Amino acid sequence: EVQVVESGGDLVQPGRSLRLSCVASGFTFDDYAMQWVRQAPGKGLEWVSGISWNSSTIGYVDSVKGRFTISRDNAKNSLYLQMNGLRAEDTALYYCARAGRLKAFDIWGQGTMVTVSS
Amino acid sequence: DIQMTQSPSSVSASVGDRVTITCRASQGIRSWLAWYQQKPGKAPKLLIFAASRLQSGVPSRFSGSGSGTDFTLTISSLQPEDFATYYCQQVNSFPFTFGPGTKVDIK
Repeated sequence: EVQVVESGGDLVQPGRSLRLSCVASGFTFDDYAMQWVRQAPGKGLEWVSGISWNSSTIGYVDSVKGRFTISRDNAKNSLYLQMNGLRAEDTALYYCARAGRLKAFDIWGQGTMVTVSS
Repeated sequence: DIQMTQSPSSVSASVGDRVTITCRASQGIRSWLAWYQQKPGKAPKLLIFAASRLQSGVPSRFSGSGSGTDFTLTISSLQPEDFATYYCQQVNSFPFTFGPGTKVDIK
């Protein structure tokens, strides 16, 4: 079965760090770009970051630039999101997604919840 | 950055109705547009990619059209399982922005 599974979400205090992971299975991981998308409670979808298959192209939404770092380990079929300097506004369900045909996000995980609160 | 808008923000419709949702990009994105469906408590599901191409397994009552800045998602005959929120997304350039969503609920 083609799937991605996120982990690492937690309740953390403002200013602290957290690392999210996403493990892929059922497909050739290093054939695909991968993405992180978040959704604050009761809100819409927000693209956070993306990385090409070979890590040569990386992008971030402005609100996380300088604080979040995306990376991948193709040998481990894994995608990561290092989140530093967390803020209350980073509270959201974080989804890992595969960028498939013509860059649309065709495979999504169930998400991992990050709550930033004192 | 490319901004995405959607209209309407919500629509009330009945089973069997034709529903049309519009998405507009702040600058031209050729056909680099996707549509997603999201139900409460679930991950989004890809419906349409490249503006008009139906994702495998998605019913043919869903269709997409448009290019450049103006796009449309049409549900030709609304079914009970189609009540959900729909998002457009541009994948032309980073950041891959989503529209604010259109909620389709029961009339």
